[in-house]
Amino acid sequence: DAKTTQPPSMDCAEGRAANLPCNHSTISGNEYVYWYRQIHSQGPQYIIHGLKNNETNEMASLIITEDRKSSTLILPHATLRDTAVYYCIVRSGGNAGNMLTFGGGTRLMVKP
Amino acid sequence: GAVVSQHPSWVICKSGTSVKIECRSLDFQATTMFWYRQFPKQSLMLMATSNEGSKATYEQGVEKDKFLINHASLTLSTLTVTSAHPEDSSFYICSVPLLAGVNEQFFGPGTRLTVL
Repeated sequence: DAKTTQPPSMDCAEGRAANLPCNHSTISGNEYVYWYRQIHSQGPQYIIHGLKNNETNEMASLIITEDRKSSTLILPHATLRDTAVYYCIVRSGGNAGNMLTFGGGTRLMVKP
Repeated sequence: GAVVSQHPSWVICKSGTSVKIECRSLDFQATTMFWYRQFPKQSLMLMATSNEGSKATYEQGVEKDKFLINHASLTLSTLTVTSAHPEDSSFYICSVPLLAGVNEQFFGPGTRLTVL
């Protein structure tokens, strides 16, 4: 699976949008971009995933560049409870049965 | 979303003893479950893939005789840390893939193991 690069940490003001970038320049055609987050001392939580089109759900939006070499996770109105480590993962085939390889992630701190 | 439970949520044991951790899928059946380990301030590392009805598949560097995995049923996988040592102290997390619907993995809440 392609490797991803994320900034180690970011701050965001409560109520503002949090934009978390991810580079995956070696992504191949059948690889999906997944985002998970991990709140301290809990198991990771699925957020969203996509192949090439932008995606939106009740938690977040995922913007994937046209060349698919990078993406941005957007939390439209960050709250204090969104403070967590956010992992961008590229996985082949979009199959949940395939293993996930976690990188370092981005530690997002939402501040009042 | 799907619910995955782990038991116990935390455990403290003496060096040399064995500890069993359970992972249960509460609302759907799973032929595959994953076991991860996370050391403080580090990311999750996949240890092994638990397969119902067959042997687990271990990642490179993970000792299969030390970390025994039993996928007892379609809703239960257990990880037993045998002859635990302080360096085995970690956060152990399981995940269950849901192949239908959103087609993603659901994670348990984790088990924190401290070996004295």
